[in-house]
Amino acid sequence: GAVVSQHPSRVICKSGTSVKIECRSLDFQATTMFWYRQFPKQSLMLMATSNEGSKATYEQGVEKDKFLINHASLTLSTLTVTSAHPEDSSFYICSAREREGSYNEQFFGPGTRLTVL
Amino acid sequence: RKEVEQDPGPFNVPEGATVAFNCTYSNSASQSFFWYRQDCRKEPKLLMSVYSSGNEDGRFTAQLNRASQYISLLIRDSKLSDSATYLCVVNGGGYNKLIFGAGTRLAVHP
Repeated sequence: GAVVSQHPSRVICKSGTSVKIECRSLDFQATTMFWYRQFPKQSLMLMATSNEGSKATYEQGVEKDKFLINHASLTLSTLTVTSAHPEDSSFYICSAREREGSYNEQFFGPGTRLTVL
Repeated sequence: RKEVEQDPGPFNVPEGATVAFNCTYSNSASQSFFWYRQDCRKEPKLLMSVYSSGNEDGRFTAQLNRASQYISLLIRDSKLSDSATYLCVVNGGGYNKLIFGAGTRLAVHP
């Protein structure tokens, strides 16, 4: 299957700093990438949908100015958590889809575990 | 009401047992249904899609009841390696996004 990478896999930072997470599709071009967040013992929650070359679509309750998403190319999307606080500590997972259509499989990255002290 | 609801478990079963998980979804416009598997602190991985007629993949059988908005997963002859959290996933109706259930934990013991 298609491969999606994320970097870094783990990050620990101080409160108030910004953290950038990269999501790359390694062997296919991703027209759409998705960013999820998962708190312990909870489900994955979609934060935003990112289409190459256009602004991301954020889910209700997700602050677009705090979670900056850039999908500059068909193989790379970045999520920047600005002015991170301890409540932002979570498991952030991206996924990528090669073609439009909800029937097409999303391939997930391995996730980034963010801990804000 | 959650969009996708699952029994969180855990289901503790011996090797070789048959175990069934259920899931209900609220959006009647959903068209795509999946079961994902997630190991501890890892990303989810697609286990199987769920089709209206029901489908089987080895020891795994998935069924869909659109009228009741209900999805099931049956695992036969459980293996130790089946221990994981099983996520019920549906697409968000007319939107190209996936809605995840919170998952059902399965622990298979010797």
